[in-house]
Amino acid sequence: AQSVSQHNHHVILSEAASLELGCNYSYGGTVNLFWYVQYPGQHLQLLLKYFSGDPLVKGIKGFEAEFIKSKFSFNLRKPSVQWSDTAEYFCAVNGGLGNNFNKFYFGSGTKLNVKP
Amino acid sequence: ETGVTQSPTHLIKTRGQQVTLRCSSQSGHNTVSWYQQALGQGPQFIFQYYREEENGRGNFPPRFSGLQFPNYSSELNVNALELDDSALYLCASSLGGQGASGELFFGEGSRLTVL
Repeated sequence: AQSVSQHNHHVILSEAASLELGCNYSYGGTVNLFWYVQYPGQHLQLLLKYFSGDPLVKGIKGFEAEFIKSKFSFNLRKPSVQWSDTAEYFCAVNGGLGNNFNKFYFGSGTKLNVKP
Repeated sequence: ETGVTQSPTHLIKTRGQQVTLRCSSQSGHNTVSWYQQALGQGPQFIFQYYREEENGRGNFPPRFSGLQFPNYSSELNVNALELDDSALYLCASSLGGQGASGELFFGEGSRLTVL
């Protein structure tokens, strides 16, 4: 069965600290990988995505993620967090082909709290 | 601002009742997906509509049904409400078919409470 696991439910960091949020997935077949973010009071929005090619992808606001196929992982990183990064982060996967393309499986989310 | 609007934003129902949630997709998008997000969980895929046809369904019973209209707006209907149906219901629009980017644009959700 398809599933996405996020290892940390709640992370607290001070500004300028480095961030790494873990994500592992279980999916048989071609996958696309995503990180979505939900800032307080706002809707879910795309942070970055991986379809193919360079396994290190860069997104908005200085975030990046690395796809490691052998580990079924897609961890999110940022070298230096800011208070404005306080949000909930969701890892997601979908099937890369046909009708599965728009059927997303989400992890349970990681709440990041950055202290000023 | 995604251009995806949902209504109502909040509603309270009792067990056994029926509810209809509405979603207007972003201009130019032909695909609408519905997700259920229970408290403390990530969104769970309910189903997707592409050009007015159901085009994929998650692990939800038949009392969850939907429609997509010619203007690509959509409805989610839930019959015989149960307490566990209490959740945030998210609508996401996207461009399906050729030219699909795989990016979902979410609305702010409809929060349903079942008493």
